[in-house]
Amino acid sequence: EVVLTQSPGTLSLSPGGRATLSCRASQSVDNRFLAWYQHKPGQPPRLLIYGASSRAAGIPDRFSGSGSGTDFALTITRLEPEDFAVYFCQQYVSSPITFGPGTKVDI
Amino acid sequence: QVQLVQSGAEVKKPGASVEVSCKASGYTFTNYYIHWVRQAPGQGLEWLGSINPSGGRTRYAQKFQGRLILTSDTSTRTVNTSTSSVTMELSSLRYDDAAVYYCAKGSLLGYGAGSSYNPYDYWGQGTLVTVSS
Repeated sequence: EVVLTQSPGTLSLSPGGRATLSCRASQSVDNRFLAWYQHKPGQPPRLLIYGASSRAAGIPDRFSGSGSGTDFALTITRLEPEDFAVYFCQQYVSSPITFGPGTKVDI
Repeated sequence: QVQLVQSGAEVKKPGASVEVSCKASGYTFTNYYIHWVRQAPGQGLEWLGSINPSGGRTRYAQKFQGRLILTSDTSTRTVNTSTSSVTMELSSLRYDDAAVYYCAKGSLLGYGAGSSYNPYDYWGQGTLVTVSS
């Protein structure tokens, strides 16, 4: 099983700021199979990034993904009020599909 | 537009079974896997399993083998109506099964068509399952 670890657990920032979230895998993950989701209370998760760096449909360009192997990152520039949420990474290259524990971005 | 609509909240006793349905619309149901993911209070997301509605092939997380059953229904009721739904049944419920359960539609953005290894582009609204004696 691929274990994903995310850091930091919580990131406290202000609107207009920049967030850099880390996702580390216990073994190498093919870039094509790493995704990031945004999750707000009372809502289902929303796909932001797939293939480590491709934005999903309708996702603004202030969200970007990068990384390879075991180290991946999600960067959010110019934080908007609606960006304060929990962010999960996911690997979908092997079973069981696994998620990281999440990083909370709050004000 | 694509929609996944789940059944309502459930309260079950330990040892009982729960069924949660996920009704899909707005896309060709048989072309995309449906996955089930849960989130326990204060916890992260956990993948339970997936089903290919075309043929019913399933894949379960080992943790839920023997307790989880996913089924799909693609029957045509009348000339103008059809059912496109997936049902998740989790049996022998424990207190730590209490969670919000989500169904999610697999996209074609990973391995592509015919594979369960794709990220999820649409999600149901979630169903709260409470386990209480």
